[in-house]
Amino acid sequence: QQQVKQSPQSLIVQKGGISIINCAYENTAFDYFPWYQQFPGKGPALLIAIRPDVSEKKEGRFTISFNKSAKQFSLHIMDSQPGDSATYFCAASSQRGGADGLTFGKGTHLIIQP
Amino acid sequence: DTEVTQTPKHLVMGMTNKKSLKCEQHMGHRAMYWYKQKAKKPPELMFVYSYEKLSINESVPSRFSPECPNSSLLNLHLHALQPEDSALYLCASSQLGVQETQYFGPGTRLLVL
Repeated sequence: QQQVKQSPQSLIVQKGGISIINCAYENTAFDYFPWYQQFPGKGPALLIAIRPDVSEKKEGRFTISFNKSAKQFSLHIMDSQPGDSATYFCAASSQRGGADGLTFGKGTHLIIQP
Repeated sequence: DTEVTQTPKHLVMGMTNKKSLKCEQHMGHRAMYWYKQKAKKPPELMFVYSYEKLSINESVPSRFSPECPNSSLLNLHLHALQPEDSALYLCASSQLGVQETQYFGPGTRLLVL
């Protein structure tokens, strides 16, 4: 059972355009939703994260939109640059004050064409 | 400093070998994690240590044996692995209770022959 569904699997965007990646979750106990960026041969790096009590969070060119009732969240990358080309993973966890592993989506391979 | 270090970067081992992967963080985090990542797949959780105690074991085969000697170190002992165990092994750490962000190391690329 896949608890976090991510789409699209791959995405090609022109330089300067907006990249949009969507995720949906099933477990209502999830209360922390990070996005990770991973370059080939590297570990995932945290990009931005959100909690369910906020509907939107923006950091620079990156914005998370969160819809608690629909159990969906999305990443928007504004003014996409070739250096943004990477694999992006959404993830979710239920903290409950303790350690919990992350459940990842399957990933989106993003290519920004110059 | 948000660095998690892992050694070695690459490891090739035979199915009868015994080897260990090492992970270290100096951020004062009290939770540490091992993930396994196959090519073009997301990381999959293997183990979670909380306050140096194993708190989550995702039914990983016994040929993988984790160890947390102290709050800064995490080891993964490998024995009698199979070729399908070849993958990128990622270590991560996080604070508990306040900031849940998991910081990942660069990983160890393991090849089992």
